[in-house]
Formats: sequence, structure tokens, C-alpha cells
Amino acid sequence: SQTIHQWPATLVQPVGSPLSLECTVEGTSNPNLYWYRQAAGRGLQLLFYSVGIGQISSEVPQNLSASRPQDRQFILSSKKLLLSDSGFYLCAWRDNSGNTIYFGEGSWLTVV
Amino acid sequence: AQKITQTQPGMFVQEKEAVTLDCTYDTSDQSYGLFWYKQPSSGEMIFLIYQGSYDEQNATEGRYSLNFQKARKSANLVISASQLGDSAMYFCAMTHFAYNDYKLSFGAGTTVTVRA
Repeated sequence: SQTIHQWPATLVQPVGSPLSLECTVEGTSNPNLYWYRQAAGRGLQLLFYSVGIGQISSEVPQNLSASRPQDRQFILSSKKLLLSDSGFYLCAWRDNSGNTIYFGEGSWLTVV
Repeated sequence: AQKITQTQPGMFVQEKEAVTLDCTYDTSDQSYGLFWYKQPSSGEMIFLIYQGSYDEQNATEGRYSLNFQKARKSANLVISASQLGDSAMYFCAMTHFAYNDYKLSFGAGTTVTVRA
């Protein structure tokens, strides 16, 4: 069966420090991959999506970047975090054989 | 642009009763999909149910059913026989199939609290 894992689950980082959140999907190939962010008490905002290795589309100009070095690996990065980067980050994937999109466990980021 | 509207910020429901969560959407496309997700306090987004725009029958998954009214552009979620574990935030979401990217647009969510 397919599973998605994302880590770390919780992160507290100082302003100006780098960030790396990692997401991997198992049990499928060539999935669509997504990074969403959720501010406290709010809905989800799409940050990046990828339809294949090395293919990244950015939805919102920001301090973050994404990379897809392998088929089932999606990484969210920042060189210098801002206070406004705090939030809950969710990785998601879609198996190309179906219509449903599944989410990982999420990563809580607090920038201090 | 897609817009998803959930007009109920919060709802209370008695255990074992049914609850309906409202969702309306705005699109000019004909081919799209509608989703409902549950987000408990742990934060994980749990897929509940999916409805395609061309599906003639309303989707059902166990205690969850989707009341799809295409002409009204509404996709309400009905939870039957509510349980304490149903207390969570519920999000309606939508994707268009035209571009094959399956990006989701989300509503603001509805908080459901089930009372014993």
C-alpha cells in the first residue's frame, strides 16, 4: 500500500536560519507531489507542486523553495527563515491512477 | 479562479445525531472534483470522501455522504450518527482536471464539536 512520510514533525528555528523539510512517498511511482502551508486557524495554501523529477511549480512568491531530487522525494527549503514562515506544513501526493490526494502527518514550524 | 466557501465557522452536534456541513464553490469549468478532509487536533489531514463533477450519484463512505447539487454548486458533507471522535476541523476542497496538476483549493473550514 502507498504511504507518505514527512519529517521532522516539529521544528523550532531562529530567524535567519536555514530550513529543510523532507517528504517521501512509498508504494507508487511518478506521483504528483505538493507542499501546502496552514497558518494557525486558517485554511491551506498551496506553496509548490511537482509533476515529475526536477519539475517544480511555485504558486506563491516567498522565502521558500522546493526540490524533487528523486521520483518520490519532495523537499521544502529556505536559506534564511522569517518569522512569517511559522506555520504547519503539509506534504501531499496524488497517485496518477486515481483522483484522490493524500496528506502526510505535517510539520509544525515555529520561527523565533 | 476557484473559490470554496464554508459559511459555518463552528458547529455543535449531539452524539449519535447527524450533522450537515455546508460547502459552495465557484467555477466555470465542467470537469472538476470535490473533496472533504478531516483535520483533528493532531493536525493530520484525513481524506474522507470524493465527488467527481460527472458522477451522477452522490458519494458515500461509511457514515459520510456528500450531497452534491451541481446546479447550485454545492457539495455539503453529511456525517450520520456522530461520534465523539468526529470532533475536528473539516475542510472542503476542489480541483480542476483540465490542467492535470490536481492542485487543491480549500475552504476556510468548519470546526465540529460533538457533545456527549
